[in-house]
Parts: sequence; C-alpha cells; structure tokens
Amino acid sequence: DAGVIQSPRHEVTEMGQEVTLRCKPISGHDYLFWYRQTMMRGLELLIYFNNNVPIDDSGMPEDRFSAKMPNASFSTLKIQPSEPRDSAVYFCASSSRVMSYNEQFFGPGTRLTVL
Amino acid sequence: AQRVTQPEKLLSVFKGAPVELKCNYSYSGSPELFWYVQYSRQRLQLLLRHISRESIKGFTTDLNKGETSFHLKKPFAQEEDSAMYYCALSASGSARQLTFGSGTQLTVLP
Repeated sequence: DAGVIQSPRHEVTEMGQEVTLRCKPISGHDYLFWYRQTMMRGLELLIYFNNNVPIDDSGMPEDRFSAKMPNASFSTLKIQPSEPRDSAVYFCASSSRVMSYNEQFFGPGTRLTVL
Repeated sequence: AQRVTQPEKLLSVFKGAPVELKCNYSYSGSPELFWYVQYSRQRLQLLLRHISRESIKGFTTDLNKGETSFHLKKPFAQEEDSAMYYCALSASGSARQLTFGSGTQLTVLP
C-alpha cells in the first residue's frame, strides 16, 4: 500500500480563487482526518469522517472551508474563496477502528500558498 | 475538553547531550498519549505511545499522571533526531480523534 495519498503536493494560487485539495486514505481505513499545520498554531484538526460521514467539523475555520467524502477512497477539502491567511500545509490522515490503539497514518501534505 | 501543551517551540541540544521534550495535558479521564515525529521531507508518523512502555530510537516516555505530563526523553541525542515532535492525546470514547500539541522543533547540533 502506498499509504495515504494527497494531491497536489504544492499549490500556489491568488486570493479569491477556489482551491481543492484531494486525499485517498489507506484502503480499509474507516476514519479520515483533515489537519492544517502552521508555525503559529501547530497541527489543528479541521474535520473528520467515519465511514464517509462527517462527525466533527468544529475545527473548520469558517464557511469558506468545506469537505466531502463521496466514497471510502476519496475526500476533498475545498476553500472558496481563498485568502492569504489560508496559507499552510494541509494534511490528510486515516485510521482504522480495528486497530487496538489509536494510530493515525498521515499523507505527505499539500503546501498551499495564497498570494 | 482536552488540551495538550508543548511549552517549547524550539529546542537545541548538542550531539551526545540528553534531551527532554516537554508535554503537559489536561483531561479529566484516562487518555491515550502519543508522540508523533516529522523528519525533514518525511511524513508525520507515530514514534511512541505511552501504553507500550517501549523504547524507539533510544527515546522513552515519562508519564506522570499526578502532574499530567508526558515528556519524551533520550539520554544521548543524535543529529538524526532533529525533527518536529508532536505530543498527542486521545480521549476515551473519542472515536479515534487526536488532539495535538503545537509541536517542538528539535535541533541536534554537531
């Protein structure tokens, strides 16, 4: 298994544009998490899904952010419109309830720069 | 609600010196506690969990329930230990959700 896959790895866009980040979790994992990493705030949980259903989106900054998981192998995080303060590294992670302890497996991240 | 605090954003030590990365947590129940590590150009990955009581890459954890601390220690730091370290907590019944600290960037100097 290639692990959690994220695309694109880097995204540079201009303020006001729509940005879509993509994630493919590890096959068989039933939890998917979206995080944002910044120097100031570290790693923040934005939203997570269980069996494709959003469970907790309290970390989503505002209405400009939305996330979907149409099936077990794909999720998107969309920012519309984007702003410079959204610049960060966005991570996707997955985990399985079958594991006896709570380990999450992370993707390589998407580095987003909003000019 | 649970909270994880890592008081040091940056920590530098010389090679061969002991290193301790501090983590304090607040949670009323019995949490699962973890240390995750992110080496340069690599993915964030699990390093240690408190329940395993094992040593990985020479690192061990020191859980003090009275002080609600979960520090990461290594007696002799190596240059390859330079990385970002995150402390994380999973609350009981949290459905796999982790709360991360803000991270500590460790630099081991030659």
